[in-house]
Amino acid sequence: SAVISQKPSRDICQRGTSLTIQCQVDSQVTMMFWYRQQPGQSLTLIATANQGSEATYESGFVIDKFPISRPNLTFSTLTVSNMSPEDSSIYLCSGGTGAAGELFFGEGSRLTVL
Amino acid sequence: DAKTTQPPSMDCAEGRAANLPCNHSTISGNEYVYWYRQIHSQGPQYIIHGLKNNETNEMASLIITEDRKSSTLILPHATLRDTAVYYCIVRVASTSYDKVIFGPGTSLSVIP
Repeated sequence: SAVISQKPSRDICQRGTSLTIQCQVDSQVTMMFWYRQQPGQSLTLIATANQGSEATYESGFVIDKFPISRPNLTFSTLTVSNMSPEDSSIYLCSGGTGAAGELFFGEGSRLTVL
Repeated sequence: DAKTTQPPSMDCAEGRAANLPCNHSTISGNEYVYWYRQIHSQGPQYIIHGLKNNETNEMASLIITEDRKSSTLILPHATLRDTAVYYCIVRVASTSYDKVIFGPGTSLSVIP
């Protein structure tokens, strides 16, 4: 199994600022993903983090707002840019090896924007 | 869009079996059925997955119908700690395509 660690676990930010969330996996994974979970809602996929290339974004999410990096097989970052109160959510990182393997999740980063 | 439908909520008495249904009528031949759960304020936890055969592990059993259009997750002896949102997901699992889309899930309440 893989253990996924996220930093920060929670933060309170001011409107208009940006926050970068880090995701570290303790073993190499083929795929890494970023999700958002708004209060009382299910998880919504933001993007697939591709190693060494631009992330693949889902409909409704754009690179200018949620830039993602993945420099190697075990690390990724998600930046929430120019934040507004609507960005208050839990952001979750996940990783998996495909081929019918499990998808592992971090504990999430709880972001509150004032 | 999610490819599964689940009841929004269920109750189960503590100690009894919890049977959580899932419909996935448009499932493709190379898609697996996965179950995850999310206990309040935690990240989703993997439970079990299967392709077409029934599966069992230390947490649960997965029963998939012969036509693969529906499945049931069984928690054999539900405890209060099993209270969570349970997500049924269909997923193409390969090294090149591994996207996981979550639906709204079933909120299971285990009652003393």
